[in-house]
Amino acid sequence: DTAVSQTPKYLVTQMGNDKSIKCEQNLGHDTMYWYKQDSKKFLKIMFSYNNKELIINETVPNRFSPKSPDKAHLNLHINSLELGDSAVYFCASSRGLNTGELFFGEGSRLTVL
Amino acid sequence: GNSVTQMEGPVTLSEEAFLTINCTYTATGYPSLFWYVQYPGEGLQLLLKATKADDKGSNKGFEATYRKETTSFHLEKGSVQVSDSAVYFCALSAGDSGGTSYGKLTFGQGTILTVHP
Repeated sequence: DTAVSQTPKYLVTQMGNDKSIKCEQNLGHDTMYWYKQDSKKFLKIMFSYNNKELIINETVPNRFSPKSPDKAHLNLHINSLELGDSAVYFCASSRGLNTGELFFGEGSRLTVL
Repeated sequence: GNSVTQMEGPVTLSEEAFLTINCTYTATGYPSLFWYVQYPGEGLQLLLKATKADDKGSNKGFEATYRKETTSFHLEKGSVQVSDSAVYFCALSAGDSGGTSYGKLTFGQGTILTVHP
């Protein structure tokens, strides 16, 4: 049973479209994250949520809107997709805010054409 | 701000060779340091960690020592295997003035390791 699962794993879409990526964790963690990995493998945090409350918004364009319906889910919706949004998006979770021990999903590879 | 610098890759080794991947950092305060590993097609997994100076983290034959004086956290393994082929990320987590890190990891650029039989 996968601890942190994301869907879809692959997403190919046209510029200007809107898409969503879903994430669920079954670890009972309070904190969830979205990280973006670019083509050079560089990873950067986008958002973090703790108990459904937004904690970190790392100057991400407002075309990106995370939503946490409950502690076990953190979805990412992207409006008006641009070429530069092509990346692998990783969902992660942790027991709390004051830890660097994150559990990552397998990633969702988004390709914008 | 915080930053992590890893040695440039890719690194290619023969099985049973000695591995070192260098990592240095800059941070305010006293960060915790981590090595994460990403196997092909998978998400990142925590490999090892150290939370204070002179701590040694170890796991699966890998080890790294938190060196505050040189701001380094180099990853080593005495004898690599083909199954160690992956991307390795050094990362830090630094707390604010109240000590809360908010789970924000600052990653290095990753080092691709390929081990040949």
